[in-house]
Amino acid sequence: AQSVTQLDSHVSVSEGTPVLLRCNYSSSYSPSLFWYVQHPNKGLQLLLKYTSAATLVKGINGFEAEFKKSETSFHLTKPSAHMSDAAEYFCVVSDHKWAYDKVIFGPGTSLSVIP
Amino acid sequence: DVKVTQSSRYLVKRTGEKVFLECVQDMDHENMFWYRQDPGLGLRLIYFSYDVKMKEKGDIPEGYSVSREKKERFSLILESASTNQTSMYLCASRPNPLREGWQTQYFGPGTRLLVL
Repeated sequence: AQSVTQLDSHVSVSEGTPVLLRCNYSSSYSPSLFWYVQHPNKGLQLLLKYTSAATLVKGINGFEAEFKKSETSFHLTKPSAHMSDAAEYFCVVSDHKWAYDKVIFGPGTSLSVIP
Repeated sequence: DVKVTQSSRYLVKRTGEKVFLECVQDMDHENMFWYRQDPGLGLRLIYFSYDVKMKEKGDIPEGYSVSREKKERFSLILESASTNQTSMYLCASRPNPLREGWQTQYFGPGTRLLVL
């Protein structure tokens, strides 16, 4: 069965310092993995996705994530946090056993950026 | 750009009322989804539809039904609203698996529903 664990419910960083949001997943098949961001009172926006191509994935706004199959992880990183990065971040896993695969969202990590 | 719109940003309803949440997408996507989002629980799938008039139950379908009469529109129905259905409701769409980029879901802005 699929599952997604986001290890931190809340992360706080200072502006200009690195960001690390952790995600571990379980999947029976070859998964696709995603990170979405949700700013207050806004819909979800896709940051980046892994779909069995390069394991290091670059997304928008300077974010990237590395798929590590041996560790079943897909951590999100950014070298230098900006105030506008403060938001809720969701890690998502999608199996491909079936054509209409199930999509599982993690519980979310709230990122605060301190000036 | 894909656009997914939801009929209301905020709704206030009374217990027992029938509630309709509408979602429209403009990219000819076959798959559409309804989720509810609650703090600490992430997004949970209520129903999804993989084509017109097709629907499948998600993880928490109880108390909800859906309608997909046209490809671009997917409606979520609360037959008799209850206070535990107070939540943020998010609609999403994506192409079918035969199309490039099918893995990505596109989300609407959400409807925040309060049931009194």
